[in-house]
Amino acid sequence: DTAVSQTPKYLVTQMGNDKSIKCEQNLGHDTMYWYKQDSKKFLKIMFSYNNKELIINETVPNRFSPKSPDKAHLNLHINSLELGDSAVYFCASSQDVSGLYNEQFFGPGTRLTVL
Amino acid sequence: AQRVTQPEKLLSVFKGAPVELKCNYSYSGSPELFWYVQYSRQRLQLLLRHISRESIKGFTADLNKGETSFHLKKPFAQEEDSAMYYCALKTGFQKLVFGTGTRLLVSP
Repeated sequence: DTAVSQTPKYLVTQMGNDKSIKCEQNLGHDTMYWYKQDSKKFLKIMFSYNNKELIINETVPNRFSPKSPDKAHLNLHINSLELGDSAVYFCASSQDVSGLYNEQFFGPGTRLTVL
Repeated sequence: AQRVTQPEKLLSVFKGAPVELKCNYSYSGSPELFWYVQYSRQRLQLLLRHISRESIKGFTADLNKGETSFHLKKPFAQEEDSAMYYCALKTGFQKLVFGTGTRLLVSP
Protein backbone atom coordinates (compact mmCIF):
# COMPACT_ATOMS: atom_id res chain seq x y z
CA ASP A 1 0.00 0.00 0.00
CA THR A 2 2.95 2.30 -0.71
CA ALA A 3 1.74 5.81 -1.45
CA VAL A 4 4.59 7.18 -3.57
CA SER A 5 7.07 4.70 -4.96
CA GLN A 6 10.25 5.17 -6.95
CA THR A 7 12.41 2.79 -8.95
CA PRO A 8 15.20 2.10 -8.78
CA LYS A 9 16.27 2.81 -5.21
CA TYR A 10 19.92 2.95 -6.20
CA LEU A 11 21.41 3.72 -9.58
CA VAL A 12 25.12 3.61 -10.33
CA THR A 13 26.19 4.50 -13.83
CA GLN A 14 29.01 5.92 -15.94
CA MET A 15 29.35 9.48 -17.12
CA GLY A 16 27.72 10.05 -20.49
CA ASN A 17 25.02 7.41 -20.07
CA ASP A 18 21.27 8.02 -20.28
CA LYS A 19 19.10 6.81 -17.43
CA SER A 20 15.52 7.03 -16.19
CA ILE A 21 13.96 7.09 -12.76
CA LYS A 22 10.32 6.12 -12.41
CA CYS A 23 7.76 7.42 -9.94
CA GLU A 24 4.25 6.23 -9.25
CA GLN A 25 1.64 7.38 -6.76
CA ASN A 26 -1.54 5.55 -5.81
CA LEU A 27 -3.08 8.40 -3.84
CA GLY A 28 -5.20 9.75 -6.67
CA HIS A 29 -3.29 13.02 -6.54
CA ASP A 30 -3.28 15.49 -9.42
CA THR A 31 0.16 16.99 -8.89
CA MET A 32 3.57 15.37 -8.89
CA TYR A 33 7.06 16.73 -8.35
CA TRP A 34 10.73 15.93 -8.69
CA TYR A 35 13.26 17.22 -6.16
CA LYS A 36 17.02 16.92 -6.05
CA GLN A 37 18.88 16.55 -2.76
CA ASP A 38 22.60 17.17 -3.06
CA SER A 39 25.44 15.86 -0.91
CA LYS A 40 24.92 18.68 1.59
CA LYS A 41 21.27 17.61 2.00
CA PHE A 42 20.02 20.72 0.22
CA LEU A 43 16.61 19.92 -1.27
CA LYS A 44 15.51 21.80 -4.37
CA ILE A 45 12.50 21.43 -6.64
CA MET A 46 13.16 20.59 -10.26
CA PHE A 47 9.77 20.01 -11.89
CA SER A 48 6.10 19.82 -11.12
CA TYR A 49 3.25 18.38 -13.17
CA ASN A 50 -0.44 18.90 -12.65
CA ASN A 51 -2.75 16.55 -14.56
CA LYS A 52 0.10 15.64 -16.88
CA GLU A 53 0.87 19.29 -17.61
CA LEU A 54 4.18 20.89 -16.68
CA ILE A 55 3.63 23.76 -14.23
CA ILE A 56 7.00 24.23 -12.56
CA ASN A 57 10.27 24.01 -14.39
CA GLU A 58 13.15 25.34 -12.38
CA THR A 59 16.53 26.13 -13.85
CA VAL A 60 17.46 22.60 -14.74
CA PRO A 61 19.74 21.54 -17.63
CA ASN A 62 17.99 20.37 -20.79
CA ARG A 63 19.49 16.96 -20.19
CA PHE A 64 16.74 16.43 -17.63
CA SER A 65 13.36 15.67 -19.15
CA PRO A 66 10.32 14.72 -17.09
CA LYS A 67 7.57 12.67 -18.66
CA SER A 68 4.10 12.13 -17.30
CA PRO A 69 2.24 9.40 -19.20
CA ASP A 70 -0.71 9.74 -16.82
CA LYS A 71 -1.64 11.42 -13.54
CA ALA A 72 -0.22 8.61 -11.45
CA HIS A 73 3.24 8.56 -13.03
CA LEU A 74 6.04 11.07 -13.41
CA ASN A 75 9.28 9.74 -14.78
CA LEU A 76 12.60 11.54 -14.97
CA HIS A 77 14.91 10.90 -17.86
CA ILE A 78 18.48 12.16 -17.74
CA ASN A 79 20.71 12.30 -20.82
CA SER A 80 24.49 12.43 -20.90
CA LEU A 81 24.91 12.02 -17.19
CA GLU A 82 27.57 14.13 -15.48
CA LEU A 83 29.39 13.74 -12.18
CA GLY A 84 27.43 16.65 -10.73
CA ASP A 85 24.17 14.80 -11.28
CA SER A 86 25.04 12.48 -8.41
CA ALA A 87 22.39 13.12 -5.77
CA VAL A 88 19.26 11.70 -4.24
CA TYR A 89 16.18 12.37 -6.34
CA PHE A 90 12.84 12.51 -4.59
CA CYS A 91 9.45 12.25 -6.20
CA ALA A 92 6.43 13.72 -4.40
CA SER A 93 2.74 14.20 -4.99
CA SER A 94 -0.07 16.37 -3.65
CA GLN A 95 -3.80 16.53 -4.14
CA ASP A 96 -3.86 19.64 -6.30
CA VAL A 97 -2.01 22.89 -6.78
CA SER A 98 -4.11 25.26 -4.83
CA GLY A 99 -5.49 23.73 -1.64
CA LEU A 100 -4.48 25.39 1.58
CA TYR A 101 -4.08 22.12 3.41
CA ASN A 102 -2.28 20.27 0.67
CA GLU A 103 0.50 18.13 1.91
CA GLN A 104 3.23 16.81 -0.31
CA PHE A 105 3.88 13.09 0.07
CA PHE A 106 7.39 12.02 -0.73
CA GLY A 107 8.79 8.87 -2.23
CA PRO A 108 11.74 7.04 -0.64
CA GLY A 109 14.26 8.61 -3.00
CA THR A 110 16.60 7.29 -5.68
CA ARG A 111 20.30 7.60 -4.97
CA LEU A 112 22.05 8.26 -8.27
CA THR A 113 25.82 7.87 -8.41
CA VAL A 114 27.65 8.89 -11.56
CA LEU A 115 31.18 7.52 -11.88
CA ALA B 1 13.55 36.72 -3.46
CA GLN B 2 12.06 33.63 -1.88
CA ARG B 3 14.43 32.11 0.59
CA VAL B 4 14.38 29.91 3.66
CA THR B 5 17.31 30.00 6.05
CA GLN B 6 18.11 27.41 8.66
CA PRO B 7 21.30 28.69 10.27
CA GLU B 8 22.20 25.52 12.16
CA LYS B 9 23.41 22.48 10.28
CA LEU B 10 23.56 20.41 13.44
CA LEU B 11 21.86 20.78 16.78
CA SER B 12 22.95 18.40 19.48
CA VAL B 13 21.06 18.18 22.79
CA PHE B 14 20.57 15.76 25.65
CA LYS B 15 17.35 13.89 26.21
CA GLY B 16 14.90 16.00 28.17
CA ALA B 17 16.44 19.31 27.12
CA PRO B 18 14.42 21.94 25.27
CA VAL B 19 14.92 22.19 21.53
CA GLU B 20 14.54 25.10 19.16
CA LEU B 21 15.30 24.70 15.47
CA LYS B 22 15.53 28.06 13.81
CA CYS B 23 13.94 29.01 10.51
CA ASN B 24 13.79 32.42 8.88
CA TYR B 25 12.16 33.20 5.56
CA SER B 26 12.13 35.88 2.93
CA TYR B 27 8.94 36.24 0.90
CA SER B 28 6.97 39.23 -0.35
CA GLY B 29 3.60 37.49 -0.31
CA SER B 30 1.57 35.95 2.50
CA PRO B 31 3.71 33.06 3.70
CA GLU B 32 2.63 29.47 4.20
CA LEU B 33 5.23 27.60 6.18
CA PHE B 34 5.83 23.97 6.96
CA TRP B 35 8.22 21.75 8.84
CA TYR B 36 9.17 18.45 7.23
CA VAL B 37 11.14 15.72 8.96
CA GLN B 38 13.28 12.90 7.61
CA TYR B 39 14.09 10.13 10.08
CA SER B 40 17.01 7.85 9.36
CA ARG B 41 16.32 5.61 6.36
CA GLN B 42 12.80 6.97 5.99
CA ARG B 43 11.17 9.29 3.53
CA LEU B 44 10.59 12.97 4.06
CA GLN B 45 7.25 13.60 5.74
CA LEU B 46 5.24 16.56 6.87
CA LEU B 47 5.59 17.35 10.58
CA LEU B 48 3.41 20.41 10.88
CA ARG B 49 2.17 23.50 9.07
CA HIS B 50 1.65 26.96 10.49
CA ILE B 51 -1.87 27.29 9.18
CA SER B 52 -3.09 24.43 11.37
CA ARG B 53 -1.51 25.78 14.55
CA GLU B 54 -1.14 22.20 15.71
CA SER B 55 1.25 20.35 17.98
CA ILE B 56 2.67 17.15 16.55
CA LYS B 57 4.84 14.79 18.61
CA GLY B 58 5.21 17.62 21.12
CA PHE B 59 6.57 20.04 18.51
CA THR B 60 5.07 23.45 17.89
CA ALA B 61 5.98 26.29 15.58
CA ASP B 62 4.64 29.81 15.57
CA LEU B 63 4.78 32.08 12.58
CA ASN B 64 6.24 35.46 13.54
CA LYS B 65 5.73 37.79 10.60
CA GLY B 66 7.56 40.65 12.29
CA GLU B 67 10.71 38.60 12.63
CA THR B 68 9.96 36.52 9.51
CA SER B 69 10.57 33.39 11.53
CA PHE B 70 8.97 29.98 12.00
CA HIS B 71 11.08 28.31 14.65
CA LEU B 72 10.31 24.73 15.67
CA LYS B 73 10.20 24.05 19.39
CA LYS B 74 9.83 21.17 21.77
CA PRO B 75 10.13 21.52 25.54
CA PHE B 76 11.63 18.10 26.21
CA ALA B 77 13.56 16.35 23.46
CA GLN B 78 13.39 12.57 23.06
CA GLU B 79 15.94 10.27 21.42
CA GLU B 80 13.42 9.35 18.74
CA ASP B 81 13.32 13.01 17.69
CA SER B 82 16.77 12.61 16.16
CA ALA B 83 16.30 13.35 12.46
CA MET B 84 16.84 15.87 9.71
CA TYR B 85 14.37 18.77 9.89
CA TYR B 86 13.52 20.99 6.94
CA CYS B 87 11.65 24.25 7.05
CA ALA B 88 9.72 24.96 3.84
CA LEU B 89 7.93 27.93 2.34
CA LYS B 90 5.08 27.53 -0.12
CA THR B 91 5.32 30.06 -2.93
CA GLY B 92 2.30 29.47 -5.11
CA PHE B 93 1.33 26.48 -7.28
CA GLN B 94 2.43 24.20 -4.49
CA LYS B 95 6.06 25.08 -5.04
CA LEU B 96 7.96 24.46 -1.85
CA VAL B 97 11.24 26.23 -1.19
CA PHE B 98 13.19 24.27 1.39
CA GLY B 99 15.84 25.40 3.82
CA THR B 100 19.13 23.56 3.95
CA GLY B 101 17.96 21.46 6.87
CA THR B 102 19.07 21.01 10.47
CA ARG B 103 20.16 17.69 11.82
CA LEU B 104 18.87 17.20 15.35
CA LEU B 105 20.79 14.74 17.45
CA VAL B 106 19.32 13.84 20.84
CA SER B 107 21.71 11.97 23.08
CA PRO B 108 20.69 9.82 26.07
